[in-house]
Amino acid sequence: GAVVSQHPSRVICKSGTSVKIECRSLDFQATTMFWYRQFPKKSLMLMATSNEGSKATYEQGVEKDKFLINHASLTLSTLTVTSAHPEDSSFYICSASSFRTTQETQYFGPGTRLLVL
Amino acid sequence: AQSVTQLGSHVSVSEGALVLLRCNYSSSVPPYLFWYVQYPNQGLQLLLKYTTGATLVKGINGFEAGFKKSEASFHLTKPSAHMSDAAEYFCAVSGSGSARQLTFGSGTQLTVLP
Repeated sequence: GAVVSQHPSRVICKSGTSVKIECRSLDFQATTMFWYRQFPKKSLMLMATSNEGSKATYEQGVEKDKFLINHASLTLSTLTVTSAHPEDSSFYICSASSFRTTQETQYFGPGTRLLVL
Repeated sequence: AQSVTQLGSHVSVSEGALVLLRCNYSSSVPPYLFWYVQYPNQGLQLLLKYTTGATLVKGINGFEAGFKKSEASFHLTKPSAHMSDAAEYFCAVSGSGSARQLTFGSGTQLTVLP
């Protein structure tokens, strides 16, 4: 149980375009989803926390207008990187949690590798 | 505020040897503690977690961790390393507040030598 998927697993786009990444909880209802960014050989940096049906809470230094997060249902959250630039290239990982049932545990998706040319 | 320190960014052990990955934490509230493993180009997989109760926690793949409040530690061990254990390991802490956010350590790359 507690499976989280991400789509796509890898995406290459041109500078200036927008990219949408989906995060789905497959076998549980995620009351909260988190989006992380990971640089090569580095730890995970929390970008934002999203609760179903409400606006995401962004970490300091993360541009909310650039990284749009939508958590429209209990099984789906999306991260849209708007007007992507090469410096946005990174590994993006989502996690999902249902604090009613999984005791504060976050379950992670497999990640999405974004390369902006 | 919470923080996690993982001592040793790289650890090498021989196959069959004991694995010990160190984690110390700082938390102003009773912590929840986690170990995750990450294989190349993949997300994080939960190895084990401590919330309350028994201080020795058993996880998947033969790993276990001991919570020592007096030392603010949550070290990860495995009696006998396998080649398949080679990966990046992250220790993380979360508080019991409403945010429930995870704070990660910087990670330890485990290499298993034949």
